Amino acid sequence: SQQGEEDPQALSIQEGENATMNCSYKTSINNLQWYRQNSGRGLVHLILIRSNEREKHSGRLRVTLDTSKKSSSLLITASRAADTASYFCATDGWSGGGADGLTFGKGTHLIIQP
Amino acid sequence: ETGVTQSPTHLIKTRGQQVTLRCSSQSGHNTVSWYQQALGQGPQFIFQYYREEENGRGNFPPRFSGLQFPNYSSELNVNALELDDSALYLCASSPPREYNNEQFFGPGTRLTVL
Repeated sequence: SQQGEEDPQALSIQEGENATMNCSYKTSINNLQWYRQNSGRGLVHLILIRSNEREKHSGRLRVTLDTSKKSSSLLITASRAADTASYFCATDGWSGGGADGLTFGKGTHLIIQP
Repeated sequence: ETGVTQSPTHLIKTRGQQVTLRCSSQSGHNTVSWYQQALGQGPQFIFQYYREEENGRGNFPPRFSGLQFPNYSSELNVNALELDDSALYLCASSPPREYNNEQFFGPGTRLTVL
């Protein structure tokens, strides 16, 4: 079953604008990760934020995490055509005693228009 | 450093047949996870292998089985294929467990069941 729900399902913006995607999840987590997928290919890891962190930056990416609301957001600043892809949040409830894998949402499809 | 590789890239099978998909993990990674991604959906966790044993499993029937070899490469076997098994199958490797559960994905195998 899908734990996360990304919002919006699709987003189309002009090159140079900022893109914001949101993710909500249901259960307690160890960390939350964001991945990018181009045209149904493999996923590329973008950023990981631990449950005790509130904000994290990596280049043009900014991720926030609010565990009280069970939500996260991914901000891509100064978007480029190459950012066109599907973006997924994935939660990890791994406690170290066993593996549940990552639980992914359905993704946000981002289109950057030149 | 070699990334995660998967073979074959594409595969067409008929209902009732059996299929084996292969994955080579990234150097230094001892854990391999498999995911199924249906069209328009996020990846769903199938199972994870650690030290050649299944370490966790998602909501998939027993006809989905796997192996991990001493060199940490892995196979996913699916018996009695059904039409709904048509999907992109993703393999992901991750480093030893003391690190975050960041997973590194291969390009995937596209399976079509006719």
